[in-house]
Amino acid sequence: LAKTTQPISMDSYEGQEVNITCSHNNIATNDYITWYQQFPSQGPRFIIQGYKTKVTNEVASLFIPADRKSSTLSLPRVSLSDTAVYYCLVDQGGDDKIIFGKGTRLHILP
Amino acid sequence: DAGVTQSPTHLIKTRGQQVTLRCSPKSGHDTVSWYQQALGQGPQFIFQYYEEEERQRGNFPDRFSGHQFPNYSSELNVNALLLGDSALYLCASSLAGSGIYEQYFGPGTRLTVT
Repeated sequence: LAKTTQPISMDSYEGQEVNITCSHNNIATNDYITWYQQFPSQGPRFIIQGYKTKVTNEVASLFIPADRKSSTLSLPRVSLSDTAVYYCLVDQGGDDKIIFGKGTRLHILP
Repeated sequence: DAGVTQSPTHLIKTRGQQVTLRCSPKSGHDTVSWYQQALGQGPQFIFQYYEEEERQRGNFPDRFSGHQFPNYSSELNVNALLLGDSALYLCASSLAGSGIYEQYFGPGTRLTVT
């Protein structure tokens, strides 16, 4: 399973766009990139998944360059409620176990 | 439609004791995975159950065992508790073959070992 590297923490302000970048230099051809969000004392929640280029849903966008060695989660116009830990994972999908790293602790300031 | 539920929400045990945690999967799901999350760390995979059998296992000792029932609910048992077993224990359910983005997590059980 490919290892991922993310910043340990980030601060931003309400209304700003936040971009969290994840490095996965050893990503395999069959690997997908998935992001989860976790609030304190809650289980992780799926945000978005992609394989290449750009994916957008109602919550976030995911940008993946052509070499797929990194990816960027973009959260538009964040609010205080977006304060959470964000995990980047790469996996082949199917029924494999999920391998979490330490994630990025995002703190949104008023 | 109930999501993943876990019980109890909090638990305090003494070193050396045994504990059983319970999980009910989201309706329609048949696979249950268990994770341990220490404070400030990401969740660590313990094992996964499908068709009442352990299908995959992470790097956890045999003190950690589990069970899945015919209704797909699951139990996590930990014997001979150590102080280091204090953590949030998360249960995630999915439908076999649906991929990791279809894993739904419960709120967890906070276990404190004193």
